[in-house]
Amino acid sequence: QSVLTQPPSVSAAPGQKVTISCSGNSSNIGNNYVSWYQHLPGTAPKLLIFDNNKRPSGIPDRFSGSKSGTSATLGITGLQTGDEADYYCGTWDTSLSGGVFGGGTKVTVL
Amino acid sequence: QVQLQESGPGLVKPSETLSLTCTVSGGSISSNYWTWIRQPPGKGLEWIGYIYYSGRTKYDPSLKSRVTISIDRSKNQFSLKLSSVTAADTAVYYCARDCCADRANFDYWGLGTLVTVSS
Repeated sequence: QSVLTQPPSVSAAPGQKVTISCSGNSSNIGNNYVSWYQHLPGTAPKLLIFDNNKRPSGIPDRFSGSKSGTSATLGITGLQTGDEADYYCGTWDTSLSGGVFGGGTKVTVL
Repeated sequence: QVQLQESGPGLVKPSETLSLTCTVSGGSISSNYWTWIRQPPGKGLEWIGYIYYSGRTKYDPSLKSRVTISIDRSKNQFSLKLSSVTAADTAVYYCARDCCADRANFDYWGLGTLVTVSS
C-alpha cells in the first residue's frame, strides 16, 4: 500500500491529453514539493517534473505538473506511442521522515 | 552527464545480508544526497534512505534497524547493506541522486539491479 494514491491506469488516443492524479495529505504533498517520474521497464526512471511544476532540461513542454492542497497532477498533451510507460509521483513525508511514492500509473496509447 | 551503476550479488539467502554498491561517474560524489530506492515485483517504488557526502544518513523508519548506507569518496561510490533479509526484500534496487536534503527529487538514476532472496 503506497503512501500516495494514483490511478492504476489511464489511456487515450495518439495526440490526445491524459492527466494523472496523485493524492496525499498534509504531511507529504500538502507541505512538500512533488516530483514525477517516467519509467519504462528495464530502464532507469526519468525525472519529468520537479518542485511541483518545473521541467528538467530536455523534457518537452508536453509534460506539465501542478499541485493544489494535498493533491498533484501530471498532464501529458499530444500523446505519443513513446509515452507508454509507468508514471510515479514522489515527495517527502515530514511525519515519516522519508521519501514516499505513489503506486504508479500505467499510460496506454490506444 | 552523471551516470550511476549498481553492482552486487543477484541472489541472497534468507537471514543473510544484502550488499550493493553504486558507482557514480561523470560527476563528484562530494555533493548532493545519494539514495537507495527499491521496487518489489509488481509493486511501486520504495525509498530506503540516503547519505550525504559528509556521511550523514537518513533511513526509512521501517527498515532503519536493518539498513546501513555508507560512502567512499575516494572511489566515488556509495553502498547499501540490508541485514536479515527475507523474501519480502526481493526487489529491483536502484541508486539515485537527490538534489537536496528531505526533498525526494531524484534527477539521476541507475538502471537498477534485481536482488532475489531465496535459499
